[in-house]
Amino acid sequence: GAGVSQSPRYKVAKRGQDVALRCDPISGHVSLFWYQQALGQGPEFLTYFQNEAQLDKSGLPSDRFFAERPEGSVSTLKIQRTQQEDSAVYLCASSLGGGGVEQYFGPGTRLTVT
Amino acid sequence: AQKITQTQPGMFVQEKEAVTLDCTYDTSDQSYGLFWYKQPSSGEMIFLIYQGSYDEQNATEGRYSLNFQKARKSANLVISASQLGDSAMYFCAMRLTGTASKLTFGTGTRLQVTL
Repeated sequence: GAGVSQSPRYKVAKRGQDVALRCDPISGHVSLFWYQQALGQGPEFLTYFQNEAQLDKSGLPSDRFFAERPEGSVSTLKIQRTQQEDSAVYLCASSLGGGGVEQYFGPGTRLTVT
Repeated sequence: AQKITQTQPGMFVQEKEAVTLDCTYDTSDQSYGLFWYKQPSSGEMIFLIYQGSYDEQNATEGRYSLNFQKARKSANLVISASQLGDSAMYFCAMRLTGTASKLTFGTGTRLQVTL
C-alpha cells in the first residue's frame, strides 16, 4: 500500500497482559515516530527512529514501553504488563528524511485495557 | 519546551462559509515549523498545511490558509467555503527545525459543518 499501515486496528487486553503493536511505514521513509493519543487529547510523542537507530525515546512513559525497528523498516511498540492508563490510540508516522517536513500518519491502533 | 494552545474545543460553521480555528504557540527557538492536521472519525491524521517560521508569506493550500502572526505567536487556520466533509477534529502542531524531532500537538478543535 501507499500509506502507513498499522496492525491490529483494535486491541483489547486484560490488565497485566503484554501487547505488541506493529507499524509499516511508507517504503523508503527513514524516520519513524510513535505517538500516544488519549481520549479527547492531542497526540503525544513517544519515540523516534532514524533507520534502525532509536534516537529519541524521551516520551516513553515507563520502562514497560519498548519500541524497536531492527531492519529500519517495520517497527513494533511493545507494552508489558498493561495498565488501564495505557488505554489510548497509538499512532505511527513516517517521514522521508531526518529533516522531512511532513509526517505521514497511519490509522492508529486503539488499545483498550480492561 | 514547546507548547501549543487551542482554546476552542468546538466550533460550528454553516456550509459554504469560512471559519477560523485558533492556535497559539510558545517556544524560545527561532526556527520552527507549524502544522495543521485534520483527524476525521476514522482516526487517521491528515496533513493540511505547513508554515515555516522564516516564511514571509502565509501558507495556502487550496481552501486552507494559515494566518501566521509571528509577533503574536499565533498560527490560525482559515478554511474557506466549508464543506460537510470538513467536519472533523483539527490539530495544530509544532516542530523545531534542524532536528528530526517530534511534533508537539495542541488539544484540538472539533469542527462541525452544518447545512
